[in-house]
Amino acid sequence: AQKVTQAQTEISVVEKEDVTLDCVYETRDTTYYLFWYKQPPSGELVFLIRRNSFDEQNEISGRYSWNFQKSTSSFNFTITASQVVDSAVYFCALSEALGNKLVFGAGTILRVKS
Amino acid sequence: SQTIHQWPATLVQPVGSPLSLECTVEGTSNPNLYWYRQAAGRGLQLLFYSVGIGQISSEVPQNLSASRPQDRQFILSSKKLLLSDSGFYLCAWRGLGQIAPYEQYFGPGTRLTVT
Repeated sequence: AQKVTQAQTEISVVEKEDVTLDCVYETRDTTYYLFWYKQPPSGELVFLIRRNSFDEQNEISGRYSWNFQKSTSSFNFTITASQVVDSAVYFCALSEALGNKLVFGAGTILRVKS
Repeated sequence: SQTIHQWPATLVQPVGSPLSLECTVEGTSNPNLYWYRQAAGRGLQLLFYSVGIGQISSEVPQNLSASRPQDRQFILSSKKLLLSDSGFYLCAWRGLGQIAPYEQYFGPGTRLTVT
């Protein structure tokens, strides 16, 4: 069975600090996909990134970066120089290659204080 | 480009009343469609998903039902609401082929309060 664990329930940082959100996953599939979503206070989930299991290259997009390590089954998300607008709930998710469903973690609440 | 709509945005209903939430997608054909519920502002619970017209898979037994009368329309219903049905309901779509075949894209959500 597939499972996604986001052990950090809530994180509070001060603006401009770097913050890393952890995501650990379990799957028996050799091909799978990992995702991160952001849910701002408005409620809509915003897709941030998809990573394929056969591509372990880290990715950077502006202040966002993602570290995918198959050896530890982790797909961590780092925000550099955090801003108040980064305050949101962040979800990590997993799907199998031909699956119709996403398995979501419980989410991490990130609070960035000015 | 693809867009997803949900309405109403907010709803307050008494216990025992019926429910109908609607979701429509534009700009794509034959998408997978999903209904999620989020209670207490945290975890996402998949309620139903559909891979085609009239095809509904239920993930959690409850007093809710879903229907897909048209390719890009997904409806969540209840005959009699319970207090526990309160929550934030999100609709999502996933494309096939070349259009977003992996990730799901979410609508703005409906906030339901059952009183």
